[in-house]
This record gives sequence, structure tokens and C-alpha cells, in this order.
Amino acid sequence: GENVEQHPSTLSVQEGDSAVIKCTYSDSASNYFPWYKQELGKRPQLIIDIRSNVGEKKDQRIAVTLNKTAKHFSLHITETQPEDSAVYFCAASRGSSASKIIFGSGTRLSIRP
Amino acid sequence: GAVVSQHPSWVICKSGTSVKIECRSLDFQATTMFWYRQFPKQSLMLMATSNEGSKATYEQGVEKDKFLINHASLTLSTLTVTSAHPEDSSFYICSAPDRDDSLNEQFFGPGTRLTVL
Repeated sequence: GENVEQHPSTLSVQEGDSAVIKCTYSDSASNYFPWYKQELGKRPQLIIDIRSNVGEKKDQRIAVTLNKTAKHFSLHITETQPEDSAVYFCAASRGSSASKIIFGSGTRLSIRP
Repeated sequence: GAVVSQHPSWVICKSGTSVKIECRSLDFQATTMFWYRQFPKQSLMLMATSNEGSKATYEQGVEKDKFLINHASLTLSTLTVTSAHPEDSSFYICSAPDRDDSLNEQFFGPGTRLTVL
């Protein structure tokens, strides 16, 4: 079945440094790749997404890259700040309104002051 | 943006009882809604896809007779955990895409924390 692998499971970076989280997916029909940030006890919050017709997308300090051939995609956070500390999930979907979203296992990001 | 609500936000029940959780799309219509379960420090695991006017589609390993799903309208899906046991204690989250939005972004409810004693 569909599977999304994510690593690392935990990541600690110095404030101001960059953080990178990587994911791979198995379903070659996937064409929508959202990234979510989840704080304790809260719902996942979409922070950025990318579709298969582009290889890179950037929004201020956050960027995502997608390599469809290799079936992997990455999240890059630059100039990290304390408020970036949270759990981050990558996900993959076939992109229609009836398509389920399959989540990666999550990365707990901690920003050291 | 589109809003999805869940009710209740938390519930405590005794083992063997049933609990119903509601998921509502407040300002859009959803022909499909998704139910997830999240155990502490784990990821969101898809349980089932709720389809308006038809039967839900369950993921492998999820007991359909234990987790009853009803999607009777374009704005409401319910998940009933029947004969709940302590191992069913979890954070249940629903999501829904706006059927009129071509981007198909999914909107998540705030979650329901179920504790079974």
C-alpha cells in the first residue's frame, strides 16, 4: 500500500541555523505533497505544499523541493526561530478531492536558543 | 479559510460504552471526509474515508463494526466508537476538502481526545 517515510525523527538545531527534513513516498500516482506543523494537542497546520508540476516552492523562510523521479521531497527552514519548535509531518496524496492523505512518521524539531 | 469543527473536543467514558464524535464543515460542502487517529508521539493514521450518501471506506486493519461512520449530509460526518476499551483512547481528527475548491486542500478539525477508563 501507500507509504511515506520521514527522517529524521528528531532534530535539534541552533537558533538561526537551517533545518532540513526529508521524505520518500511509494505511490507513483501521488502528485500533491503537503507539509504540516503540529503543536501539542492541536490540529495539523498546513505550512506549505507542492504539486508534481513544480520542483521547488518557497514561502519566506520555508522551502520545499520535489524529485518525482526519485520519489522524494524535502522541507527546508532557514533562519530558524524558537517558534519553529514543533512536530512536522510530510504527506502525500493523489490530489483529488476524494484522495486520502498519507502522513509520514513526523519530525520533532527543537530550536536551541 | 474553510473551517472544520469537531464535537466534543474531549470525552471520558467507561469501558464498554459507545461514543459519537461529530465532524462538521462550517462554511463549505464536503462530499468526502477523512477520519484519523493519533496516539501520543505518533503520526496521524488514516482510519477511514467517509463518503456522503454511501458507505465509508475503511483502511486495512480498522474494524468497520467497531468504528461506525455516517455521512448523511454534505456538512456532517460522525464517527461512533462502539464498545470502547482503554486501547481506543486516542486523539481523533477529521479532515475534509472543499468540493468546490480545485486545489483540494484538506481542512482539519481541532480533534477529539477520547479517554476510555
